[in-house]
Amino acid sequence: GENVEQHPSTLSVQEGDSAVIKCTYSDSASNYFPWYKQELGKGPQLIIDIRSNVGEKKDQRIAVTLNKTAKHFSLHITETQPEDSAVYFCAAFTSGTYKYIFGTGTRLKVLA
Amino acid sequence: NAGVTQTPKFQVLKTGQSMTLQCAQDMNHEYMSWYRQDPGMGLRLIHYSVGAGITDQGEVPNGYNVSRSTTEDFPLRLLSAAPSQTSVYFCASSYPGGGGETQYFGPGTRLLVL
Repeated sequence: GENVEQHPSTLSVQEGDSAVIKCTYSDSASNYFPWYKQELGKGPQLIIDIRSNVGEKKDQRIAVTLNKTAKHFSLHITETQPEDSAVYFCAAFTSGTYKYIFGTGTRLKVLA
Repeated sequence: NAGVTQTPKFQVLKTGQSMTLQCAQDMNHEYMSWYRQDPGMGLRLIHYSVGAGITDQGEVPNGYNVSRSTTEDFPLRLLSAAPSQTSVYFCASSYPGGGGETQYFGPGTRLLVL
C-alpha cells in the first residue's frame, strides 16, 4: 500500500539552531502535504502545508519544500525555541482517494 | 465554534466489552475520519466518511464499525474489545476541496483494554 517515510525519528538541537525533518511519499498522485505539531496529551495541529503546484512555502520561522520529481518534502524550522519541542508529523493526501497517509513522527527536542 | 470534540477522554475496558467513541464537529465539514495512534507508528486511518451516509475503510478497519447519519457526528464502535485495541484514538474533520484541505483534530480518547 501507499506509505510515507519520515526521518529522523528523534532530533535534538540547541536553541537558536535550525531543524530539518524529511518525508518521502510513495503515491505519485498525492497533491497536498500538511505538517502537524503534536504536544503532549493533545491532538495534532496544522502548522504549515503545501500543495503540489508549489515548490516552497514559508511562514515566519517555518518553511516547507516539495520536490515532486523525487517525491520528497521537508520541514525547516529556523531559530528554534524551547516551545518548538513536540512531535511533528508529515502527511500526504490524495484527493482522488480522500486519504491522508501519515509519517511515523519526529520527536524534536530544543535544548535551552 | 467548539471545533472537533471527542468523548470520553479516557476509558478502561475489559476484553470482550463493547463501547462507542463519540466524535462531533460544528464546522459543517463533509469529511470525517478516525485514526489510532500507537508509539512509533504515527497515525493510522481506521475509517473515514466523505459525507452523511457514506463511509469507507482505512488502513486498519478490523474490529471497528462506523456510521454517519448526520454531518456533525461520526461515532466509532468497538464491538468486542481486544488488548490490541489499546491506543489513543483521534477524530478529525475537514472540508474537502480541490487539492486537499486542512484536517482539524479532536483532543483524543485514550483507551486501555485489559
